[in-house]
Amino acid sequence: KAGVTQTPRYLIKTRGQQVTLSCSPISGHRSVSWYQQTPGQGLQFLFEYFSETQRNKGNFPGRFSGRQFSNSRSEMNVSTLELGDSALYLCASSFKGVGNEQFFGPGTRLTVL
Amino acid sequence: AQSVAQPEDQVNVAEGNPLTVKCTYSVSGNPYLFWYVQYPNRGLQFLLKYITGDNLVKGSYGFEAEFNKSQTSFHLKKPSALVSDSALYFCAVRDGGSSNTGKLIFGQGTTLQVKP
Repeated sequence: KAGVTQTPRYLIKTRGQQVTLSCSPISGHRSVSWYQQTPGQGLQFLFEYFSETQRNKGNFPGRFSGRQFSNSRSEMNVSTLELGDSALYLCASSFKGVGNEQFFGPGTRLTVL
Repeated sequence: AQSVAQPEDQVNVAEGNPLTVKCTYSVSGNPYLFWYVQYPNRGLQFLLKYITGDNLVKGSYGFEAEFNKSQTSFHLKKPSALVSDSALYFCAVRDGGSSNTGKLIFGQGTTLQVKP
């Protein structure tokens, strides 16, 4: 089985711009979660989607949004980028989410200048 | 509040020696516990999990972890370390605040350095 894929792998944006990151889960997995990884804050949960419904949301401002499509692919969007949004954004998929291990993609490295 | 603590920022061990990476947790309800490893510029790789059952869990690459309910710990162990085990290790617990979520709460990570 192919693993979790994320596109793009690297992204450079300027403050005020918006960005969309994409995640394709492992075939058959219906749960997709997003995490932000920074040196200072570590790994922080952004969202969780299951069957196109947001099941859980982390403590991030409304500039961060996401969605899941009927084929389980997911996107996350960050509007009005700030310097502090520079991070590695990781997508993870699992069969159902609860109790199942999550399989992570390689991440998208976002740099905001 | 749910939380995970990894008390050591870095663990140094000589190749061939046993290694332990420590993790303690605080969660409401039954804990679902996980260990992940991250190599430079890579995503996280799943090593093992504890949901229920035997307190000693065996995982990938020769790693195992011991669940201790009374001490609320889930330490990662390996009998004989390899240089290639050098990486960043994360302990995680499922958020027990809701029964219908796979949200993980991660520790801050422990860098494992295995020297030849």
